[in-house]
Amino acid sequence: GESVGLHLPTLSVQEGDNSIINCAYSNSASDYFIWYKQESGKGPQFIIDIRSNMDKRQGQRVTVLLNKTVKHLSLQIAATQPGDSAVYFCAAPWGRNTGFQKLVFGTGTRLLVSP
Amino acid sequence: GAVVSQHPSWVICKSGTSVKIECRSLDFQATTMFWYRQFPKQSLMLMATSNEGSKATYEQGVEKDKFLINHASLTLSTLTVTSAHPEDSSFYICSATPHDRAWGEKLFFGSGTQLSVL
Repeated sequence: GESVGLHLPTLSVQEGDNSIINCAYSNSASDYFIWYKQESGKGPQFIIDIRSNMDKRQGQRVTVLLNKTVKHLSLQIAATQPGDSAVYFCAAPWGRNTGFQKLVFGTGTRLLVSP
Repeated sequence: GAVVSQHPSWVICKSGTSVKIECRSLDFQATTMFWYRQFPKQSLMLMATSNEGSKATYEQGVEKDKFLINHASLTLSTLTVTSAHPEDSSFYICSATPHDRAWGEKLFFGSGTQLSVL
């Protein structure tokens, strides 16, 4: 089945730096990926998504890069702010014909932003 | 945007008692809702898919008799943890979408329920 994992459990950065959070996936048939942000004691919040026909997608201060050759994606946060401190998950739909809703989540990376 | 409300946000109960968690879609109808469980410093694990008007579909390893799911209306799904034990202590999160097969930005999560079983 699908597995989605992250390389590092914790990433510590200084305020204003750029952050890069990585994620690897195992199913080469995966065609859609989502990044979520989860603050302590809250549910996940959608950040950005990307489909497999794209290599890059940009949002507000965030960029997701997809490398299908090595089955890797990354989330880049520009000018990281203390409010960005949270756990970040990548996720991908599980199984076929389930839409996007049945998701498998990666293990998560905790981003710590110090002033 | 769409809002998914989860209640209670935290609950403490004695071992052996049952606890009910509610998940409501406030401004949309959700034919399908999903229940996840999250242990400390771990990822979200899908427990079951809640289908309005029919039986829930449980993931492998999830006891359906212990985690009772009822989706009696298009705006409400409930998860009941029966005969709770300390190992059931976890953060439970629901999700829902106003579309059958929408993309990620249309999937909304509740704020979660922290269950602590003494």
